[in-house]
Amino acid sequence: SQKIEQNSEALNIQEGKTATLTCNYTNYSPAYLQWYRQDPGRGPVFLLLIRENEKEKRKERLKVTFDTTLKQSLFHITASQPADSATYLCALGRMIYNQGGKLIFGQGTELSVKP
Amino acid sequence: DTEVTQTPKHLVMGMTNKKSLKCEQHMGHRAMYWYKQKAKKPPELMFVYSYEKLSINESVPSRFSPECPNSSLLNLHLHALQPEDSALYLCASSQGQGAYYGYTFGSGTRLTVV
Repeated sequence: SQKIEQNSEALNIQEGKTATLTCNYTNYSPAYLQWYRQDPGRGPVFLLLIRENEKEKRKERLKVTFDTTLKQSLFHITASQPADSATYLCALGRMIYNQGGKLIFGQGTELSVKP
Repeated sequence: DTEVTQTPKHLVMGMTNKKSLKCEQHMGHRAMYWYKQKAKKPPELMFVYSYEKLSINESVPSRFSPECPNSSLLNLHLHALQPEDSALYLCASSQGQGAYYGYTFGSGTRLTVV
């Protein structure tokens, strides 16, 4: 079955630095990979989607890369701020025959940005 | 309107109670989802509705019963739950089913079964 691993449960960095989060997956290669942010007690918020034929995607201070050879996605937050502190989830799409697609989430990385 | 609205925000129910969770979106999304999330764990898919039809049931116990009355509404009927069913229940929607589109999640219903 598909396995998704995010590099660590927690990541602590200093304000202004670049945070880099890793998402590795096994077995089949998804056509799409997504990243979400989740604050405590809230639902996940969609950040970025990257397709298998896209190497990189950017949105403001966020950058996502997708390496289908390594089966890995990297998520970068540049010039990080304390307000970026949250749990970040990567999610992969999986197609089920006769049922359609579904999104499977990794366990998340809790990012803490210290002033 | 770019939101998914879930009610109630909190629910405490006994193991013999019957209750319902409600979810509403007015973005014209044709796929809607129920996820369950335990503390410090990722959201786990329960059900997927596409064009108001149930397309995926992730082998969820029958004490959870989903319903999609129309394209804007999604309900989750609860009956005879167990304490281990206590969790955050999240509703989400997307333009179409699958991972081709980002999902919009509601804030969830925090369910406690006593």
